[in-house]
Amino acid sequence: NAGVTQTPKFRVLKTGQSMTLLCAQDMNHEYMYWYRQDPGMGLRLIHYSVGEGTTAKGEVPDGYNVSRLKKQNFLLGLESAAPSQTSVYFCASSYVGVDNQPQHFGDGTRLSIL
Amino acid sequence: GQSLEQPSEVTAVEGAIVQINCTYQTSGFYGLSWYQQHDGGAPTFLSYNALDGLEETGRFSSFLSRSDSYGYLLLQELQMKDSASYFCAVRDTGFQKLVFGTGTRLLVSP
Repeated sequence: NAGVTQTPKFRVLKTGQSMTLLCAQDMNHEYMYWYRQDPGMGLRLIHYSVGEGTTAKGEVPDGYNVSRLKKQNFLLGLESAAPSQTSVYFCASSYVGVDNQPQHFGDGTRLSIL
Repeated sequence: GQSLEQPSEVTAVEGAIVQINCTYQTSGFYGLSWYQQHDGGAPTFLSYNALDGLEETGRFSSFLSRSDSYGYLLLQELQMKDSASYFCAVRDTGFQKLVFGTGTRLLVSP
């Protein structure tokens, strides 16, 4: 059981380049999330999805887009990468927002923008 | 909105007991969660409190006081492997997402 899988694990981009981060979960979870983590700032929510075909903005959505075309996949796109987007990106999923259902995280994508 | 406060760092020695506090301000409260994250790793779920009192899971316990908007994570018989960051989190009023604190880095020394 793989859980939540993120690809790629590492990436270096030049300013202005675009890329897509892929998150896949095999737990049949309805909810999926993209976070970024920067030193001393904890986990900040970028975008999230409460079901196939739906997405919503989180705390820091600017410069990112997302798509949830299939229930098991949640894609995060950077259209024109900026150095401020250098960060570690985590994907997570959970069952429908039942009170004590935890979020399951992937191993992260370490992204550097030069 | 929601906001959470945690100490940035806590240090302790092996075998000791340490408490990591979390105070929160929310417009609606739906439970306090704790996550552990080792350096370079992914956050993993530790515990959840919806009601006042202490929940125990092995060496780890989590406490909640809703009247004080306060909770803590208690780690007993500390081991070197407990060195990690610990995040408290509350669910938002829409019940769809979590808001995380900025995390407490626990350093366990021999």
